[in-house]
This record gives sequence, C-alpha cells and structure tokens, in this order.
Amino acid sequence: EADIYQTPRYLVIGTGKKITLECSQTMGHDKMYWYQQDPGMELHLIHYSYGVNSTEKGDLSSESTVSRIRTEHFPLTLESARPSHTSQYLCASSGSRVLNTGELFFGEGSRLTVL
Amino acid sequence: QQPVQSPQAVILREGEDAVINCSSSKALYSVHWYRQKHGEAPVFLMILLKGGEQKGHEKISASFNEKKQQSSLYLTASQLSYSGTYFCGTYSGAGSYQLTFGKGTKLSVIP
Repeated sequence: EADIYQTPRYLVIGTGKKITLECSQTMGHDKMYWYQQDPGMELHLIHYSYGVNSTEKGDLSSESTVSRIRTEHFPLTLESARPSHTSQYLCASSGSRVLNTGELFFGEGSRLTVL
Repeated sequence: QQPVQSPQAVILREGEDAVINCSSSKALYSVHWYRQKHGEAPVFLMILLKGGEQKGHEKISASFNEKKQQSSLYLTASQLSYSGTYFCGTYSGAGSYQLTFGKGTKLSVIP
C-alpha cells in the first residue's frame, strides 16, 4: 500500500487567488513528481525532483512552482490562479535506486477548479 | 519525447484478448505500464527492463523489443475489472529522472 497523500482533494477558487497543493509521502522516496491531467486525457509531467533542494520543470510548461525542502514534502503553488489552470494535479513518488526502473506511486489527486 | 500508443481505444467482451502497443523513436531503457480507472489515480502494472528482465503483478503480460523500441501489453481472457485507460511510460534517457507517458489506450470490457 502506497503512502502518498494529497490535499485538498477538491478545490474551487476564484481567479487571482494564490493556492498551494500539498503532497506528502511517508516512504522516504527521493524522487517526486507532479503531473497535470484533464479528465480522460493524457498525463503531462510539469515538475519533478530527484532529492531535497532539487526541482526541475517537466515536459509541459506550467506557471506553477514547486519546492523540496524536506524529503517527504513536495508542494505545488500557483501565485495567481486562472481558469486555464482548472485541471487535476497528480503527485507521485519513486524510491528506486536504479535509474529508469522505479515504479511511481500516485496520490489520489487534487482537482482544481478556477472560476 | 512522448511514446506513441495504439490503439487509442478498444472495446472487448469478457473473455476476449487485447494487445496494446507502445513505441518510441528514441532508445528505450525501460518501459512502464500503468492502468487508470475512471476517477482514480494511475496504478503500476509492470516494468520491462533492457535485457529482458520483467517485474509486475496481476495476470497481465508484456514484451519489450529493444531493437524496435517497442513494447506490447497483453491482456488475455479479459475481465470487467480490466476496464480503464492504460498508459505506457518511458524515461527520456539513460540517466533521466523524467518519466513521460503516452496518450493512453482506453479499454472497455463489456459483459
């Protein structure tokens, strides 16, 4: 059973608000990821981290930012939310010590709606 | 670079078989397969490694052709619980931490 948690599960906010999506894992995994997914659509990697104090942008350009101050915590922040940010955000982690082999454990997702 | 999956969608009756393909224009070091049910998070199914090693679970098998840069997922004697969207994922390089997924294959199993 994977221990990776996301909060909030659902969030409805107005345009211009600042939001932070929380992601925590208790498995001690060094690699963490944020994917963006519209309903029924593909998974787009927007951010990833391979350890504390490391963050990288993924394939899909995103106005969000991330931080990795602690191994277990990988929050995603939108400084000024817009309707185009409406989507589901999935956090994942991986603990494999061998590159290219680690399975990803996903959280249940945060579904964001910006009005 | 994003791997290419085919078909985009498939409908099966219980007990029928299906094959989902995943290919890449770049050299593959490993291929991952995940299944996502409606409204849920993706769940790991299987990983295939260069050199033929496989790791996975459930009654689903897969192959990995390194020379052709292709992988196929085989679902035999499908059950209703197999319904969902299947994603293959590949790393962008030998030393990459970036797992990129294909667009997915929607599988519907009907009674």
